[in-house]
Amino acid sequence: GAVVSQHPSRVICKSGTSVKIECRSLDFQATTMFWYRQFPKQSLMLMATSNEGSKATYEQGVEKDKFLINHASLTLSTLTVTSAHPEDSSFYICSATTGGPYNEQFFGPGTRLTVL
Amino acid sequence: GDSVTQMEGPVTLSEEAFLTINCTYTATGYPSLFWYVQYPGEGLQLLLKATKADDKGSNKGFEATYRKETTSFHLEKGSVQVSDSAVYFCALHAGGYNKLIFGAGTRLAVHP
Repeated sequence: GAVVSQHPSRVICKSGTSVKIECRSLDFQATTMFWYRQFPKQSLMLMATSNEGSKATYEQGVEKDKFLINHASLTLSTLTVTSAHPEDSSFYICSATTGGPYNEQFFGPGTRLTVL
Repeated sequence: GDSVTQMEGPVTLSEEAFLTINCTYTATGYPSLFWYVQYPGEGLQLLLKATKADDKGSNKGFEATYRKETTSFHLEKGSVQVSDSAVYFCALHAGGYNKLIFGAGTRLAVHP
C-alpha cells in the first residue's frame, strides 16, 4: 500500500524556538495532505488541509501564523511550529491522499513534539 | 455538524473473546465510514471501510456493517488476539468535502 513517512519521529526543543516536521509520500503523488494533532488518550484533531502549490486551509481555532504549512511538491509537506511553547507539546500526524473516489487517506507514523 | 460517537474504553478482554466496539454517527447526506487502528507508537492504519448502506467492511477477522437506519457502524471480531491490542477509531467522510471526522477512539487491551 501507499507509504507516508514523517521526520523526525521525536523532537525535543526549547520554548521559543521553531520546529519543522516533514511529511513525505514515498510511492505516490499526494494531491492533498492533512495535518492532525493528537492529545494523549484523545482523538485526532484536524489542523489544516494543504493542496500542492496553494495555501493551506486551516480549521477554526488553529493559528495559521503559529503552525506554518508548506506543500511545495506532490510528495512533501512541512509543518513548522513557530515560537513553540510547552502547550504545543503533542503528537502530530500527517496524512496524504490522491483524492481518489474513496478519498482514502494514508497516515504517517507521527511526530512526538516535546517543548521544554 | 457531522460527528462520530464511540463507546468509551478501555475495553479489556481475554484472548479468544468476542469483541464489539460501538460507533454511531451524525451526518448529512451519505457518508463513507471507516475503522482505523493505531498500534502503540505508530500512526493510523485503515482497518476496513464501507461506502454505502448495508455494505460490510471486513479485514483481518474484523467486520463492520453500515447501518443507515440506526446510523451505526459497529466493529466486531469473533475471537480477539493479544496482537489486536490497540486503539480503534471510527471515522466518517462526508462526500464532496475531503475531510475525515474521527471518533474519540477506543482502547482495546487483550490479555492471554
